[in-house]
Amino acid sequence: DGGITQSPKYLFRKEGQNVTLSCEQNLNHDAMYWYRQDPGQGLRLIYYSQIVNDFQKGDIAEGYSVSREKKESFPLTVTSAQKNPTAFYLCASSTGQNNQPQHFGDGTRLSIL
Amino acid sequence: QQQVKQSPQSLIVQKGGISIINCAYENTAFDYFPWYQQFPGKGPALLIAIRPDVSEKKEGRFTISFNKSAKQFSLHIMDSQPGDSATYFCALYSSASKIIFGSGTRLSIRP
Repeated sequence: DGGITQSPKYLFRKEGQNVTLSCEQNLNHDAMYWYRQDPGQGLRLIYYSQIVNDFQKGDIAEGYSVSREKKESFPLTVTSAQKNPTAFYLCASSTGQNNQPQHFGDGTRLSIL
Repeated sequence: QQQVKQSPQSLIVQKGGISIINCAYENTAFDYFPWYQQFPGKGPALLIAIRPDVSEKKEGRFTISFNKSAKQFSLHIMDSQPGDSATYFCALYSSASKIIFGSGTRLSIRP
């Protein structure tokens, strides 16, 4: 089955530690996205990539970093500079063409120890 | 800057009733209006979508009504069922690949 796989489902971070969230898709999509979801605030865009080896900052990129070395993979690193990292993180992909829907993974819930 | 307002924030509907969720947007740069459904612990999934050249789209019990002049669109769920209990998000897509999500509506259907 084609889809988006996020791992791990739950992740805990210690103070001052960087953590990396995995996102893999086998939909052959060009575009991939990372969102942060907090209660009552909907989805906020962190980073997106429309092609391999290229990515752009979204609305809340500070304290996060990404890479796009392969079409299938778009890992997100939550750095120690992100002072409030506790949230539900969602990865999505799309064909990248205009007005095509995004397909989402089942998320990673990050908490601070 | 907030470009879409979704209401209500939460909604309780009796089984068999009609659930209505609304979104209003602020400019006309958008040309695709999807609704997503999200269950707890899962990612959002596309439910139904509409383009601005039509005023209504129906798929089963789900209908989108679109009012371009008022810059509003709404989701109607007919004959609401307990399995429809979820969080619903509207979204706005522009031709510049800009996507904006509403803040979500938590829908609970009482048996």
